[in-house]
Amino acid sequence: KAGVTQTPRYLIKTRGQQVTLSCSPISGHRSVSWYQQTPGQGLQFLFEYFSETQRNKGNFPGRFSGRQFSNSRSEMNVSTLELGDSALYLCASSLMGINEAFFGQGTRLTVV
Amino acid sequence: TQLLEQSPQFLSIQEGENLTVYCNSSSVFSSLQWYRQEPGEGPVLLVTVVTGGEVKKLKRLTFQFGDARKDSSLHITAAQPGDTGLYLCAGANSGGYQKVTFGIGTKLQVIP
Repeated sequence: KAGVTQTPRYLIKTRGQQVTLSCSPISGHRSVSWYQQTPGQGLQFLFEYFSETQRNKGNFPGRFSGRQFSNSRSEMNVSTLELGDSALYLCASSLMGINEAFFGQGTRLTVV
Repeated sequence: TQLLEQSPQFLSIQEGENLTVYCNSSSVFSSLQWYRQEPGEGPVLLVTVVTGGEVKKLKRLTFQFGDARKDSSLHITAAQPGDTGLYLCAGANSGGYQKVTFGIGTKLQVIP
C-alpha cells in the first residue's frame, strides 16, 4: 500500500510570493494534518482536515490555509511568503484522527 | 496548551552503548507515539503505547508508558550507527476529537 506522498519535495520562492503544497494520504485515510518543522521550534501543528472539513487549527497566521478534497487529498497554501516561513512542511495522514499518524517525506520550502 | 518535554535534546554516544531518552508532561495522554526521523525525511512511526505502565519492545528498543500516562521513555540497548536520528514523542488526548502534541525531539548520534 502506497505511503503518504508530498509534492514537490523542494521549493524555492521569493518573499511576497505564494506557494501551494500538495499531500496525497494513504488510501482509506480520511484525516490529513499539516506541520511546520524548523530546527528551533520542532514540529508545529498547522491544521487538520477530516472529510473536507478543517477540524483543528494551530496558532499560525491567516496566511497559512488549507483544504481537503473529496478524495482526501489535501493542499496547503501560504500567501505573502516571509523569510521565516522557510521550513520543512510535513503532511501526516491517519485513519480517523490525528493520532498514529503516518508522515510523508515533506516539502522543503526555502524563501529568499 | 499541553507540552511534551524531551530530554536530553542532544546525545552523542559510541556504538554498543545503552541510552535512555525521556518524554515528560504534566498532562495525561490517551496514547503516546514514538517516531524516528532522519535528515530531510518525514518521521517514521516506531510504536504507540496506550495503557499506563505498558512496555513494548521493538528489537533493541524498549518503550515504556508511565503509570499515570503523563510520561514515557525509550531505551536503546547496544546502540548502532543506524539508530542515529531525531527521536520524537507525540501525545494524543481524547476530547471531542483527538489532538496531538509533539515534543521537540532528541537528536541521537551513534559514533562507529
